[in-house]
Amino acid sequence: QVQLQESGPGLVKPSETLSLTCTVSGGSISNHYWNWIRQPPGKGLEYIGDIYYSGSTNYNPSLKSRVTISVDTSKNQVSLKLTSVTAADTAVYYCARVGLGSSLDYWGQGSLVTVSS
Amino acid sequence: QSVLTQPPSVSGAPGQRVTISCTGSNSNIGAGYDVHWYQQLPGTAPKLLIYGSFNRPSGVPDRFSGSKSGTSASLAITGLQAEDEGDYYCQSYDSRLSGPVFGGGTKLTVL
Repeated sequence: QVQLQESGPGLVKPSETLSLTCTVSGGSISNHYWNWIRQPPGKGLEYIGDIYYSGSTNYNPSLKSRVTISVDTSKNQVSLKLTSVTAADTAVYYCARVGLGSSLDYWGQGSLVTVSS
Repeated sequence: QSVLTQPPSVSGAPGQRVTISCTGSNSNIGAGYDVHWYQQLPGTAPKLLIYGSFNRPSGVPDRFSGSKSGTSASLAITGLQAEDEGDYYCQSYDSRLSGPVFGGGTKLTVL
């Protein structure tokens, strides 16, 4: 059974960089796209961006200038960096695999990141 | 403002049937892209419920079904159970944004 686990600091200061890692277990990172999705408290889901195992990326235009997603196939990990964060970036951040019919068929449990001084 | 439009809330009594609509446009659902549905129970991560507009992943009860027509899609839940209470999201692909888009979510309350 594929499992995804997000990890990283739960608190980031305004203007600094948010960094999260998604570790994939129970399956290979190869031959799949991997998404980052976020959910502000009490709100809906927002696509941040995705990466193919080969390294090609696609980002949400509204976040593109601040986002970098990378992959490390040797560690079965996908990483997210979001620069110049503000309180509006406070959210639960999820990584998810693109699978069945191009749906997001496996999700991590999520990592709450709070932006505050 | 979400690219896909869902009603904020729906409700029904145990055993009843409810439907949740998801309205898009000609750059997403209307362009033929599949719709996927996710269930998010309180305090948990979203879980895939319907993929490819109509298909259920292994383990999802057949009480859940999906349909699609034109620029809209729907999720139907029959035989409502208390454990179905939570938020439901639709998702498709948008050619103008070149990426996945979500509905704003619908909160299901089982009365």
